[in-house]
Amino acid sequence: DQQVKQNSPSLSVQEGRISILNCDYTNSMFDYFLWYKKYPAEGPTFLISISSIKDKNEDGRFTVFLNKSAKHLSLHIVPSQPGDSAVYFCAAISNSGYALNFGKGTSLLVTP
Amino acid sequence: ETGVTQSPTHLIKTRGQQVTLRCSSQSGHNTVSWYQQALGQGPQFIFQYYREEENGRGNFPPRFSGLQFPNYSSELNVNALELDDSALYLCASSLERWRSYEQYFGPGTRLTVT
Repeated sequence: DQQVKQNSPSLSVQEGRISILNCDYTNSMFDYFLWYKKYPAEGPTFLISISSIKDKNEDGRFTVFLNKSAKHLSLHIVPSQPGDSAVYFCAAISNSGYALNFGKGTSLLVTP
Repeated sequence: ETGVTQSPTHLIKTRGQQVTLRCSSQSGHNTVSWYQQALGQGPQFIFQYYREEENGRGNFPPRFSGLQFPNYSSELNVNALELDDSALYLCASSLERWRSYEQYFGPGTRLTVT
């Protein structure tokens, strides 16, 4: 049972524009939501997270928005750069949990 | 500070064989989790070890087993390999088990079962 869903397998964006990656979840017990970035032949690298008590968290070019009532979060990358091309995974975990629950990932391609 | 390391990088095994994968946690981290990432899927939680004890397990059969050593490094053992076990196996460490929301991943071991 997939508790975290990323419904867009791929996304292509021009350099300099905004990239918006979306994620939906079904488990209302999740307290933390994370985005990981993965390059081929490497492990996932932590990008940014948000606690369920917040609705927005920013870190440089990356902003994550959380809409708890809709059980939806999104990652905004502004401006997008070619080096951002990677697979992005959304993950969620409850406060007392130990397992990260991942979506299937969205492959982002930023073209010059 | 040394990050999470895994060995070997790649491995090819035959159906029915057994395999052992190794992981060294990030310096100071006492909790290690293992994940399986099949092609086109997100990582799936296998189990977590905290101070040499299994702290939680995902939906994987008993032929997936693990160990954690006093230095917090860990092994993942898979017996009676099946073709569907072909995947990238990821190890992640966290400072403490109650900080599992901060997991740092290694580069993974690519296992191919033929």
